[in-house]
Amino acid sequence: AQTVTQSQPEMSVQEAETVTLSCTYDTSESDYYLFWYKQPPSRQMILVIRQEAYKQQNATENRFSVNFQKAAKSFSLKISDSQLGDAAMYFCASHPDYNTDKLIFGTGTRLQVFP
Amino acid sequence: EAGVAQSPRYKIIEKRQSVAFWCNPISGHATLYWYQQILGQGPKLLIQFQNNGVVDDSQLPKDRFSAERLKGVDSTLKIQPAKLEDSAVYLCASSLATGAGYEQYFGPGTRLTVT
Repeated sequence: AQTVTQSQPEMSVQEAETVTLSCTYDTSESDYYLFWYKQPPSRQMILVIRQEAYKQQNATENRFSVNFQKAAKSFSLKISDSQLGDAAMYFCASHPDYNTDKLIFGTGTRLQVFP
Repeated sequence: EAGVAQSPRYKIIEKRQSVAFWCNPISGHATLYWYQQILGQGPKLLIQFQNNGVVDDSQLPKDRFSAERLKGVDSTLKIQPAKLEDSAVYLCASSLATGAGYEQYFGPGTRLTVT
């Protein structure tokens, strides 16, 4: 079965500092997508960043970037210049099947940002 | 652009009762998903529709859960009879199409408590 593992249940960071959230996954597919979603308290989940497995270059979106290590099946999220609004649950997800868009989610990492 | 709408936002029922959730996806989105998010876990796909056809319902407990998407737009998810373990947030999401890692847009969810 496809699995996504987030080994950090909680992380904290000081405002303006950098934090990295870890994610590993298991898939037998050669091409697939990986995602980081953000779920703020009592608000809906939104996409933070997406990576297509065949692309060598790591995806970036403003202050958010990933470190994608295909051979190690690792997909970490780096948040630079952390802001109070970054506080949320972060879910790593894989999209292993091109026939559907089924997302396999990890258990999430709760990020706290301190002023 | 209006987002994914869900109702009700909260529901409390007793076990063995029935309940229904409603979802209105983003206009023009062909694909609709229902996820179950149990406290402390990541979302798990229950069912995926492409227009009004089912793409994946492999994790839907069909003895008690049912879903439909009439006319390829709105969708309802029903549980009958409910069990204590059905307590969760039920998330609806939609995407433009299936395949190629299309972004999924999530609604605010319906929090179900079964007592």
